[in-house]
Formats: sequence, structure tokens, C-alpha cells
Amino acid sequence: DQQVKQNSPSLSVQEGRISILNCDYTNSMFDYFLWYKKYPAEGPTFLISISSIKDKNEDGRFTVFLNKSAKHLSLHIVPSQPGDSAVYFCAAIHANNNDMRFGAGTRLTVKP
Amino acid sequence: DTAVSQTPKYLVTQMGNDKSIKCEQNLGHDTMYWYKQDSKKFLKIMFSYNNKELIINETVPNRFSPKSPDKAHLNLHINSLELGDSAVYFCASSESGRSSKNIQYFGAGTRLSVL
Repeated sequence: DQQVKQNSPSLSVQEGRISILNCDYTNSMFDYFLWYKKYPAEGPTFLISISSIKDKNEDGRFTVFLNKSAKHLSLHIVPSQPGDSAVYFCAAIHANNNDMRFGAGTRLTVKP
Repeated sequence: DTAVSQTPKYLVTQMGNDKSIKCEQNLGHDTMYWYKQDSKKFLKIMFSYNNKELIINETVPNRFSPKSPDKAHLNLHINSLELGDSAVYFCASSESGRSSKNIQYFGAGTRLSVL
């Protein structure tokens, strides 16, 4: 019962270009969405989030877009840097019980 | 000054043994969690715990039990370890309350290998 899905297990982009990571969810009761970044041998670290009342949130090179009707969100990184190479997890929080569900992650590789 | 720390980082043990993983957070958070990252890399919640309630994911076997001596610690005890328990276990913490801004801070993980 994967309510949060990241269908691309990996993504490779050139340094300086845009990275777009996608996430889909099935539960309409999710009202808050987060992206976490994970380096090897470390725990996930919070990157950026968005409330369901918004459709865009920007923080420096990172922008998250939310399309509620499509139950889809995406993370844009521009320009991409080699240090951005990591696994990115999408997560969604249920409005009623604060339950957070994660996607399986997308491994981003940014090539110099 | 690691915010959420777990020990040990690696744990190799035999089937049938009982083991514990410790977790401590110095963020002053009221809620702590345990996650299991399975072979397919999904992070699945096992428990969430604050001063008032323990919420257990119903799919977690009762061989797994959280123990919280105080609000800064949430240890994970596992009895009668099985091969399928091999995974990476992550501890996390967050501010309490039913807020949508429930940003969780994670430890570095404990890789458990059951032989």
C-alpha cells in the first residue's frame, strides 16, 4: 500500500542543468509534503516542504511544486551541483493523524 | 553535537538473539520515531512516541518494542531476531502536537544484519 510513489529510481543530470524529481500520492487526506535528502551512511535531512494550500515553495536553488488535482509534486533544483548528488525522498503527512509516509526515493547524480 | 544519535551504527547478530538499538535526541523534541528501511529502500514507520501516547504500526511484530526512559531517548528492543529483520533502522524526532509542520530530524541509521 504505497501511498507515496517515486517512479524514477534514478536520475542523472549535468552540472548547471535543472534536476526535476517527481512524486505522486494517492491519499487525498495528505495536507503537507516534504522532500528529504539522504547521503550514504547518513540519515535523511529535511530539504524543503509545502503545504497543500500552496502550489509552489521556493528556497534558493530548490523549488517544490504541488498539483493537488493531479496528486503530484515535483522538486526542481537549478542549477544542479555535484554536491546535490544524493537520494531524495518525497514524504507526505496525513491531515488527521500526522502520519508521514515516504516514497522509495530517487537517486540523483549530478555529473561535473 | 549530533541532534539525533543512534548506537550502534552496525549490528551483526545471530537469529534468535535479543538486541537493542539506542536513540537519543538533544533537540528538546517531544515526539520520537522508529523507521525501518527495507530492502526496497522504503522508509516505513514502526512507532511514534511522545509523553502521552505510543502509536504502533499494526504491521510491526510484537517482537519489537520501544522503551523510553525519558523524552530524550527512545530505544528499540528486538526479541528473537529473524532473518527478515535485517534492515537499516532510523530513529527520528520532531516537535509534538498535531501540526502539519511535523519536520522530523533523523539519526544516521543502524544497519542490522541477522545471520
